[in-house]
Amino acid sequence: SQELEQSPQSLIVQEGKNLTINCTSSKTLYGLYWYKQKYGEGLIFLMMLQKGGEEKSHEKITAKLDEKKQQSSLHITASQPSHAGIYLCGADWGSNYKLTFGKGTLLTVNP
Amino acid sequence: GAGVSQSPSNKVTEKGKDVELRCDPISGHTALYWYRQSLGQGLEFLIYFQGNSAPDKSGLPSDRFSAERTGGSVSTLTIQRTQQEDSAVYLCASNQGPNQPQHFGDGTRLSIL
Repeated sequence: SQELEQSPQSLIVQEGKNLTINCTSSKTLYGLYWYKQKYGEGLIFLMMLQKGGEEKSHEKITAKLDEKKQQSSLHITASQPSHAGIYLCGADWGSNYKLTFGKGTLLTVNP
Repeated sequence: GAGVSQSPSNKVTEKGKDVELRCDPISGHTALYWYRQSLGQGLEFLIYFQGNSAPDKSGLPSDRFSAERTGGSVSTLTIQRTQQEDSAVYLCASNQGPNQPQHFGDGTRLSIL
């Protein structure tokens, strides 16, 4: 079984709608990183979470790490076509450097 | 430029040939990483360099893969005797050290014919 699971695998929403992407770890997270990727490009860093219960926001994107440090969610408010892409979570399980990534969530936002 | 730079952006080569992929990290970043992204496997860690410490090579899939980092800056990933299963996007990242966000280049798309 996979140690880091993302859900859903893909998501299609209408512009203006809110959405949530989840990332669940089988082990305690020392760090959880959210990235966005567009086809043919590298990963763009969004947010880093390290403390249980931590929540960070940037523009219309909010990321949370649960108290147990095994699950994170990424919430987008009032989605726009510019939010479309693949969202990836990356887990640090104690190495302080090596990240294990989920399979990603493909987000499509229809105008 | 201010970001991580990778070259070439695309590489097509015949099975059995050797290839070299280059990564120029963000200036001042002491740590450098190589990852491989493929459809079946997702994004996989390959190797990590931190300053003058011995690299963590635990993610390299076979002894055909090697990497070096000269002068603590530019890194080269070499794949010898390429196989079709080596076809993937190879991504490089750098950061200022442990527990810091990794910043990625746009990758090299490698196709083995």
